[in-house]
Amino acid sequence: GNSVTQMEGPVTLSEEAFLTINCTYTATGYPSLFWYVQYPGEGLQLLLKATKADDKGSNKGFEATYRKETTSFHLEKGSVQVSDSAVYFCALLNTGGFKTIFGAGTRLFVKA
Amino acid sequence: NAGVTQTPKFRVLKTGQSMTLLCAQDMNHEYMYWYRQDPGMGLRLIHYSVGEGTTAKGEVPDGYNVSRLKKQNFLLGLESAAPSQTSVYFCASSLQMNTEAFFGQGTRLTVV
Repeated sequence: GNSVTQMEGPVTLSEEAFLTINCTYTATGYPSLFWYVQYPGEGLQLLLKATKADDKGSNKGFEATYRKETTSFHLEKGSVQVSDSAVYFCALLNTGGFKTIFGAGTRLFVKA
Repeated sequence: NAGVTQTPKFRVLKTGQSMTLLCAQDMNHEYMYWYRQDPGMGLRLIHYSVGEGTTAKGEVPDGYNVSRLKKQNFLLGLESAAPSQTSVYFCASSLQMNTEAFFGQGTRLTVV
């Protein structure tokens, strides 16, 4: 079946540090991949997406590249800010599907 | 831009009480979903709808019912609340197949 596995948190970084949150997936077919972000007390917001192999999604300084050979979609940011503190969810949506499959989420704390 | 709106935002119920959570979207989306979010478990799909007048079970449907009488609204009902239903509930919608989901702000429900 389809599933998403992401690194457990929490991840604690100092401001301006480099961020990587690992995400791997299992899917039949060729899914679209997403990163959602949930700020404290809010719902999930789409951060970025990639719809085919080797696509790079990017937004607000975050990037992730769809790697079919390693079934991965790792989230990276070169220099995190305190305002990036949130929970990040990796997710997939299979071709012809409409039910998004979410990972367990990774909480990020950024210290000033 | 209202997007997806959930009411109420917070609620405390006694065991055995009933309630309805309302979700409204103004984006003319076909698909709507109810998720619950519990610590360490990510988001789990309760029920979903692929169009007005349709509903279907997700991963964790027991103890919940839903209705979609109008395209823009998706109601989640708890007929007899149990402490195990203490959670944060999110409604989401998507335009069609292969498109990302948009989320509401969530409803924090506590059953005592």
